[in-house]
Amino acid sequence: EDQVTQSPEALRLQEGESSSLNCSYTVSGLRGLFWYRQDPGKGPEFLFTLYSAGEEKEKERLKATLTKKESFLHITAPKPEDSATYLCAVQAGSQGNLIFGKGTKLSVKP
Amino acid sequence: AAGVIQSPRHLIKEKRETATLKCYPIPRHDTVYWYQQGPGQDPQFLISFYEKMQSDKGSIPDRFSAQQFSDYHSELNMSSLELGDSALYFCASSLSPYSYEQYFGPGTRLTVT
Repeated sequence: EDQVTQSPEALRLQEGESSSLNCSYTVSGLRGLFWYRQDPGKGPEFLFTLYSAGEEKEKERLKATLTKKESFLHITAPKPEDSATYLCAVQAGSQGNLIFGKGTKLSVKP
Repeated sequence: AAGVIQSPRHLIKEKRETATLKCYPIPRHDTVYWYQQGPGQDPQFLISFYEKMQSDKGSIPDRFSAQQFSDYHSELNMSSLELGDSALYFCASSLSPYSYEQYFGPGTRLTVT
């Protein structure tokens, strides 16, 4: 069964304290791995898509990387406005729907 | 840039009533997905449509049905509502069913009392 596991469940950082979020996956035929940001009560906001091992993408303070078993979302010098839940999802096999992990709730204190 | 539009944004229904949720995808997107997100949970896939045909089916109860219309908007019909149906319902759209980003709407918060 396809599975996505995110760690840690929650992460508290001081402003400027860099860290990484992990997403490990077990799927048959990965077609894409997606990172989303979700604020409370709002729809997930698309951040990145990664398609193959070794791929990296960056956007402002965020950088996503992908290996054959996991993905990391690196946050460099975070700010309080980066506080949100970060969701990892995979698209696999013949289906187009996303399979989500439980998310990592990030809190950045000033 | 145009985004996915969902209506209504909030809906309160009583048990055993019916509800209809609407989704208008981003222009030129022909694929629509419906997800359900319970409190503190991750989004769970319900059903998807590509070019007005059902393409994939997830954990959608038999009490729910959905369709995609000629203008690509989609409606999720929910009948015999139960307390456990209270959740955020998201619609997402993409350019194609395969290996393309899915963009989510703001969601409809359904409360069943």
